[in-house]
Amino acid sequence: EVQLVESGGGLVQPGRSLRLSCTTSGFTFDDYAMHWVRKVPGKGLEWVSGIGRNSFNMDYADSVKGRFTISRDDAKNSLYLQMNALRAEDTALYYCAKFRSDFDVFDLWGHGTMVTVSS
Amino acid sequence: QSALTQPASVSGSPGQSITISCTGTSSDVGSYNLVSWYQQHPGKAPKFIIYEASKRPSGVSSRFSGSRSGNTASLTISGLQAEDEADYYCCSYAGLSTWVFGGGTKLTVL
Repeated sequence: EVQLVESGGGLVQPGRSLRLSCTTSGFTFDDYAMHWVRKVPGKGLEWVSGIGRNSFNMDYADSVKGRFTISRDDAKNSLYLQMNALRAEDTALYYCAKFRSDFDVFDLWGHGTMVTVSS
Repeated sequence: QSALTQPASVSGSPGQSITISCTGTSSDVGSYNLVSWYQQHPGKAPKFIIYEASKRPSGVSSRFSGSRSGNTASLTISGLQAEDEADYYCCSYAGLSTWVFGGGTKLTVL
């Protein structure tokens, strides 16, 4: 069974850091680009960051560029998101998503991990 | 990277058809046919139902169809069923390896 399980969310003060993890199973992890997408409460989805196969490229939304870093460990079938200098507007449910390049879609998603930035 | 514009809510009775619009700009929807649609039921992970604006993956009901014209993409659901009640999101490639989503549309089946 294909699974993506996010972890690492929680309550954090503004300006602090948090590292999210996404552990995957059921597919050949290193064959796929992976992304982070977040859902702000009461708002829509927002693409946050993506990383290519072999960590060939990392891309970020303008809203997180310079503060967030995406990475992957193919040996552990895992995706990460290091979030620094967190702001209240980063409060969201963070999803890990597998990218299917032949369809150009996020074809599999986890259930998300909640990040709350508040003092 | 401004969010794509979707109506906040739409509704329809069982058996009817509804259409959800997704308006972007010439930098995203207007430039690329890489528009996808996602269905999300409460507490569940999003599920893709349309890719490349109008293509339907195997396993998705033929009641779901998509189209794109200019800066606007649309999702049509025909023969509404109670199980279609969910949130729907559009997504478009926005160039330079970035993506943009819509604000989401809550579909209510009356």
